[in-house]
Amino acid sequence: NAGVTQTPKFQVLKTGQSMTLQCAQDMNHNSMYWYRQDPGMGLRLIYYSASEGTTDKGEVPNGYNVSRLNKREFSLRLESAAPSQTSVYFCASSEARDMPQHFGDGTRLSIL
Amino acid sequence: QQQVKQSPQSLIVQKGGISIINCAYENTAFDYFPWYQQFPGKGPALLIAIRPDVSEKKEGRFTISFNKSAKQFSLHIMDSQPGDSATYFCAASRGRNTDKLIFGTGTRLQVFP
Repeated sequence: NAGVTQTPKFQVLKTGQSMTLQCAQDMNHNSMYWYRQDPGMGLRLIYYSASEGTTDKGEVPNGYNVSRLNKREFSLRLESAAPSQTSVYFCASSEARDMPQHFGDGTRLSIL
Repeated sequence: QQQVKQSPQSLIVQKGGISIINCAYENTAFDYFPWYQQFPGKGPALLIAIRPDVSEKKEGRFTISFNKSAKQFSLHIMDSQPGDSATYFCAASRGRNTDKLIFGTGTRLQVFP
């Protein structure tokens, strides 16, 4: 059981570059989420998708876009990366609109 | 009013001891309090959760205690083991609405043999 798979695991970008973080889950979950984790700040919700075809903003959506490609996949895009977006990004999923239960291992993103 | 304050930032406990992590909240509308465990290099994992209609919930060596009047809740890890060494996050939300889930800042627990 793979659970939630995130790619890539590490990435270094230059300011202004664009990038898409990929996430896929194999548990047939309806809900998927993107969080960012910064030192001393816990996790903050960027976007979430309660079901295929729907997406909603979370606490810190500025500078990001998302696509719920199908039930399995939920991608996060940075159109013009900024140093403030240096963070560890986690994708998560859950059966219904419920507490995020399963997290991926994260993408460590550095923006220079 | 949306904050969840977690303490301590770090905790060192000897094997077999009790680890205690505390969280306090301000928003009285919060009514669902999960805890997450995160090992280095991994994502968080849902550990245990409590609603304010109970004062305590136990799962194995992990116990959540809840004090509604003080707006505080805590995680106790009994008989702490080196394998419990991880970062623990408390969180709070109104109902199980994930868009309203507010995380604490985390406690790094180290259990030494």
